[in-house]
Amino acid sequence: DTAVSQTPKYLVTQMGNDKSIKCEQNLGHDTMYWYKQDSKKFLKIMFSYNNKELIINETVPNRFSPKSPDKAHLNLHINSLELGDSAVYFCASSPWGTSGNIDRDEQFFGPGTRLTVL
Amino acid sequence: AQTVTQSQPEMSVQEAETVTLSCTYDTSESDYYLFWYKQPPSRQMILVIRQEAYKQQNATENRFSVNFQKAAKSFSLKISDSQLGDAAMYFCAYRSPPYSGGGADGLTFGKGTHLIIQP
Repeated sequence: DTAVSQTPKYLVTQMGNDKSIKCEQNLGHDTMYWYKQDSKKFLKIMFSYNNKELIINETVPNRFSPKSPDKAHLNLHINSLELGDSAVYFCASSPWGTSGNIDRDEQFFGPGTRLTVL
Repeated sequence: AQTVTQSQPEMSVQEAETVTLSCTYDTSESDYYLFWYKQPPSRQMILVIRQEAYKQQNATENRFSVNFQKAAKSFSLKISDSQLGDAAMYFCAYRSPPYSGGGADGLTFGKGTHLIIQP
């Protein structure tokens, strides 16, 4: 059973295109995240959602729009892709806030999506 | 804002030897959580070990242990009896306490240390 899954695993596209990355977790968690890992392997939080509500938006360009149709899904849509968007994008989830549980914080990561913009 | 610093971009160790990866962090919070994540070439992020700042006892998971020095804001990872499968990028990460809303903040990562295991 895959706890946090992402599709696609690889995405190659042209500059200016719009693309989406899907994320699903079957852990029953309330909180989900998107991280970006750049070419130097540096990981940085982009967004976090709790119970479908946006909590954190770390100065990410407006071209990036997360969407959470339900607690188990957090998709990332990117408009007008630029060369600098090339990176690995990780989805993660944690039990924080689940059913009153605010003491658990371990994050479970998806396998990552390698986005290449040509 | 919190920062995490890993000063060793790359470390190399002979198989079966012990290696220590360094991590320092800066925070004004008195309670927080620290983590070490492993990222092998498959790029999957794997939690290696975690430490709650309020616990004085250093965390241990099999061959992995930490040396947590709260006053010095240091959190090093020791890998004993290194194995070929330990070769990976290792990331140190910080998290504010969940009860203060830090659970939604995400992790603050260091830049990583590339660990090479020589057979």
